[in-house]
Parts: sequence; C-alpha cells; structure tokens
Amino acid sequence: AQTVTQSQPEMSVQEAETVTLSCTYDTSESDYYLFWYKQPPSRQMILVIRQEAYKQQNATENRFSVNFQKAAKSFSLKISDSQLGDAAMYFCAYRSARVSGATNKLIFGTGTLLAVQP
Amino acid sequence: GAGVSQSPSNKVTEKGKDVELRCDPISGHTALYWYRQSLGQGLEFLIYFQGNSAPDKSGLPSDRFSAERTGGSVSTLTIQRTQQEDSAVYLCASSFQGRPYNSPLHFGNGTRLTVT
Repeated sequence: AQTVTQSQPEMSVQEAETVTLSCTYDTSESDYYLFWYKQPPSRQMILVIRQEAYKQQNATENRFSVNFQKAAKSFSLKISDSQLGDAAMYFCAYRSARVSGATNKLIFGTGTLLAVQP
Repeated sequence: GAGVSQSPSNKVTEKGKDVELRCDPISGHTALYWYRQSLGQGLEFLIYFQGNSAPDKSGLPSDRFSAERTGGSVSTLTIQRTQQEDSAVYLCASSFQGRPYNSPLHFGNGTRLTVT
C-alpha cells in the first residue's frame, strides 16, 4: 500500500521569504501523480500544484515550485516570496495512475501547518 | 461554474442519533469521494463512487457508516447511532474519471459534525 509522510507538523516563515515543505512517499508503482493541496481556515481544499511521475521537469506555478526526486521518493514544495495569504495547512497527496481495478483515490499526508509572520 | 456543494455546513447531534450528510458534485464528474478529517489529522479515505456504484468502500470505519449515490450525481453519507469519535469534518470531492489521472479532485467545504 502507498503511504505519504509529512514530517513537519508546523512551519513558520517571514513574509517575502522562502520556505520549503517536505514530503516523502512510499510506493512500488512507477506511474503516479503527486499533488500539493492548501487548506485555509475556510476548510476548502485548494490545489496548489501537481506533478506527473514520468516527467523529469519539476512543476512550477507562479511562486510555487516542487523538487521532485523520484528515486528518493521525495516531493517537496517551495514557496517563494511568502505572503500572508499563504498561511494554511498544506497537504501532500499521491494518486496511482493504474487503469484497471483501481480507485485512484488521493492518499494524503498528515499535513504541515504554515504560519506566515508579517 | 458551481463547485462541489456540501450540506449542512455544520451539524451538532446527540450520541446515538442518525445523521445524513449531502454532497452535490460538479456536473459531469463521474467520480465522487468521501473523506474524513479529524482534528489535527490528515484526510482519511472513506468511500469512492464511479457513477452510482461504489467499487471501493474499504475506508468505511464500521457498519454504522453507509453511502449512496443516485443519478450519478448527489451522494448521501449516513452515519447511524453516532458516537463521539465520529466527530470530524467530512469532505466530499469529485473529479473526472479516466486517464490521465492527474485530474485534480475538487473538494467541497465539508460538513463539520459534532457528536455530543
């Protein structure tokens, strides 16, 4: 079974600085997808960024980028120029790319609570 | 367009009572998922629907939990004889199903269930 581990329960960053959130996962599959979701106090889960395992290039979305290390099964999120609105719980998630007999559900880590200091 | 809608937003119930939680997915999304988020915890998978069928119920914690989906759209999660440990936020998500599976899950705002 696949598992996702986020070893940092809480992180803090100064406004305008850069912060990196860690995520590791365990799987025997070679084809899968990885996601980072943000959950502000409103409870709404918002997709931040996604990465296809078959792509070597790291995904980037504006101030958000990932460092995907497939061999190490590591998928960290870097937030540049942190803003007050970035304060939230961040979840790393894994999704199998298998076709038949698969739920293809998202498997989540336990989250990292990010505080942004003004 | 409209996102995933869940109702009620908050529900307080007495131990032993039954509750029903509703999810309206995004139109056209054939896949629907229920997750449970307990305080300070990650998201725990409960059940997955493809259309009206539920090929994966492996996350339902006990036989007090059940769910159905009708018309390939609205889903209802029912918890019978609620217990205090059922208190949590119940999140519903929907997505397109089929390759590629990089389609993200779109989540509702959840129902916060409190069992007193």
